[in-house]
Amino acid sequence: NAGVTQTPKFQVLKTGQSMTLQCAQDMNHNSMYWYRQDPGMGLRLIYYSASEGTTDKGEVPNGYNVSRLNKREFSLRLESAAPSQTSVYFCASRGRVDTGELFFGEGSRLTVL
Amino acid sequence: QQQVKQSPQSLIVQKGGISIINCAYENTAFDYFPWYQQFPGKGPALLIAIRPDVSEKKEGRFTISFNKSAKQFSLHIMDSQPGDSATYFCAARKGGSEKLVFGKGTKLTVNP
Repeated sequence: NAGVTQTPKFQVLKTGQSMTLQCAQDMNHNSMYWYRQDPGMGLRLIYYSASEGTTDKGEVPNGYNVSRLNKREFSLRLESAAPSQTSVYFCASRGRVDTGELFFGEGSRLTVL
Repeated sequence: QQQVKQSPQSLIVQKGGISIINCAYENTAFDYFPWYQQFPGKGPALLIAIRPDVSEKKEGRFTISFNKSAKQFSLHIMDSQPGDSATYFCAARKGGSEKLVFGKGTKLTVNP
């Protein structure tokens, strides 16, 4: 049982390049999330999807787009990467409505030069 | 504004000691307060969680204390072990909301 799988694990981009982070979960969860983690800043929500076909902005959505491709997959796209987007990105999913437990992937470390 | 304030930023404890991490919140609509544990190179994982209708929840060596009137909650790790060395995040969620808001994290080091 893989849980939440993110690809790639590491990526280096130049300013202005675009890329997509992929996330897939095999737990049949409805809700999926993208967070970024920066030193001293904790985890900040970028976008989330409460169900297939819906997406909503979190705390720090600027510079990002998302796609909920199907129930399993939720991708995060950087259209024109900036050094401020250097971060570790985590995808997470949640199943039951009555609990807040998030299941996280292992993260994607992105460096923008 | 920061919705959940966590302290300290870092904590060093000797093996066998008690580790205490504190969090405070402002939004009285929060009704779910989890703690996540993160080891280097890994994603966070749920450690223990509490709802405001109880003042304390214990799971093994980990205890959450909750003070609703003061809008504070804390994590106590009894008999701390080197294997507990990790970053700990408190979080909070409003009832009916999808959004879980995290504190900035506490890096715990337990020395042998």
